[in-house]
Amino acid sequence: DTAVSQTPKYLVTQMGNDKSIKCEQNLGHDTMYWYKQDSKKFLKIMFSYNNKELIINETVPNRFSPKSPDKAHLNLHINSLELGDSAVYFCASSQVADTSPLHFGNGTRLTVT
Amino acid sequence: GNSVTQMEGPVTLSEEAFLTINCTYTATGYPSLFWYVQYPGEGLQLLLKATKADDKGSNKGFEATYRKETTSFHLEKGSVQVSDSAVYFCARHDNYGQNFVFGPGTRLSVLP
Repeated sequence: DTAVSQTPKYLVTQMGNDKSIKCEQNLGHDTMYWYKQDSKKFLKIMFSYNNKELIINETVPNRFSPKSPDKAHLNLHINSLELGDSAVYFCASSQVADTSPLHFGNGTRLTVT
Repeated sequence: GNSVTQMEGPVTLSEEAFLTINCTYTATGYPSLFWYVQYPGEGLQLLLKATKADDKGSNKGFEATYRKETTSFHLEKGSVQVSDSAVYFCARHDNYGQNFVFGPGTRLSVLP
């Protein structure tokens, strides 16, 4: 199936741990994103990569580090997890065109205890 | 600034009622506009889009018209169903970049 897929779907971990979320898209898109959705459903962009190059880097703690090994993958690594990092993290991709929509993965629900 | 504003929810309607969710935006230029829907436990899915002024996007009985004069993109449906219960997000794409800006979302609950 053509899609944006991210793993894991659920991630429960303790404060201070380091964790990674993986994302892959087989839509042939040039640009990939990470969004954070809080408990009130607000969506905030964190990072955007175009063809493996970082193009958007919002005000995010440097404990969050994206890595794009190729244009089909964008992983998110989080160091020293904090309680406030608990949220749903969505990966998305789009083609480089001002009319192209975003295609989202199904999200990773991160719970930090 | 560049932002998207939506009516506050939650919106609760009876089945077959008429739905309007207001959305207004600010932006430089004339961005493409989108409505996304998020069903419980799922990611956001594109519902419809419009790429220029006066365009009407439509899908699954939902419609929204790109109004440049009022910088609005209100979502409407003539007769909602229980299965339409979800969170709806208005969004715009910035023609000058590759950024998408989302509204805060509006939760819709449709009762049988």
